[in-house]
Formats: sequence, C-alpha cells, structure tokens
Amino acid sequence: DTAVSQTPKYLVTQMGNDKSIKCEQNLGHDTMYWYKQDSKKFLKIMFSYNNKELIINETVPNRFSPKSPDKAHLNLHINSLELGDSAVYFCASSRRATNEKLFFGSGTQLSVL
Amino acid sequence: DQQVKQNSPSLSVQEGRISILNCDYTNSMFDYFLWYKKYPAEGPTFLISISSIKDKNEDGRFTVFLNKSAKHLSLHIVPSQPGDSAVYFCAASREGAQKLVFGQGTRLTINP
Repeated sequence: DTAVSQTPKYLVTQMGNDKSIKCEQNLGHDTMYWYKQDSKKFLKIMFSYNNKELIINETVPNRFSPKSPDKAHLNLHINSLELGDSAVYFCASSRRATNEKLFFGSGTQLSVL
Repeated sequence: DQQVKQNSPSLSVQEGRISILNCDYTNSMFDYFLWYKKYPAEGPTFLISISSIKDKNEDGRFTVFLNKSAKHLSLHIVPSQPGDSAVYFCAASREGAQKLVFGQGTRLTINP
C-alpha cells in the first residue's frame, strides 16, 4: 500500500482552465503539505495543514486553494491556470507539524500549454 | 533568498568509493537537518537526519556531519553503490517553523 498517494501523475491542460490534484495518506499523520518543484528544481512549500487546519500559506496566489476534508486528505485546486504554474507538485505528510521527517507522494507533473 | 544551498548540481563517483555531498545554510535558527534521496518520477524519500545537538549521525553506509559554526552539513556514502545514483536534497527546519526548507539538489551518479 502506498503511504502517500496523489493523482493524477500527469496533468496537461490549457491556460485558463481549472484543475485539481488529490492527495491521500494512510500513515495516520496529523500534518499534510503541498510542495512545488519549479524549473530550477527547488522544492518550496506552498501550504501545510495540521488536523484539517491551515497552518502555513506561503504567499501562494489566491488561484491556488487547498482543501482538507479530513486528516488523511489534502487536495489542491487551481483556478485560471497560467503558464508559470507548470511544475511538479508534491504532496507530503508528517507525524506532527514541527521537526519531523516528511513522507512524499510521487508527484504530479503539471504542464500548462 | 535561498536559505539552504547545494552548490554542486552534480557529482560523479566510482562504485565502491566514498561519495560526499555538501550543503550550506544561512539561517542560524535551523536546528534539524535532513537528507532526502529522489529517483526520477518518484517523490523524495527520507534518508537520514541530524539534530543540532549532535555533530554526526550514522546509519549503515550513510553518515551525516554537521558543522554549526560553518553552517555546513555533508552526507557521506561509503561504499557507493550503483543504486545510490539519484538526486539528493538537503533540508532544514527550526522548532516551531512547521516547514522544511530544501536545497536545490545534487545529482549523484555512481559509475561502475
């Protein structure tokens, strides 16, 4: 069983569209994250949720809206996609919010044309 | 403002030799450091970590060294094996910050 699973793995779409990426973890962790790996390969945090509550919003445009229906799920919805949104998006989870190792999903390669 | 830097984008090492990957950080408040390994089309996987109260942590073939005064950490892999070929990310956090800050990664290639 995959510990952190995210879907889809690849997403190709046109500028202006709205899309969602789903993430689920079966590790019983309290904290979940979205990270973005840009063209320069840096992994940068976007959002963090602890027990369904948003604890980090790292100056991400309002077009990105995370939703955590329960502790095991954290979805990412993106409105009005732009070319610059093309990147790999990783979901992750950790046992608690601070000084803990993260378990990552396999990533979603988003390509905006 | 990149607080964690891996200045070598790539490293090539002979199988059986030691691989040394380096990482520098600028934030003196960081107190927890991790190394992750990433294969293509997969997510990063945790390798080893070290708290700032230690200067060395060892796990099998992997050892992480922390030099707080230099704000530098390194990952030693010995002996290097072909399966170690991957991108290695170092990451850092500080108590209460609730996030990891990652470097940009070093691609390690182990040659037979």
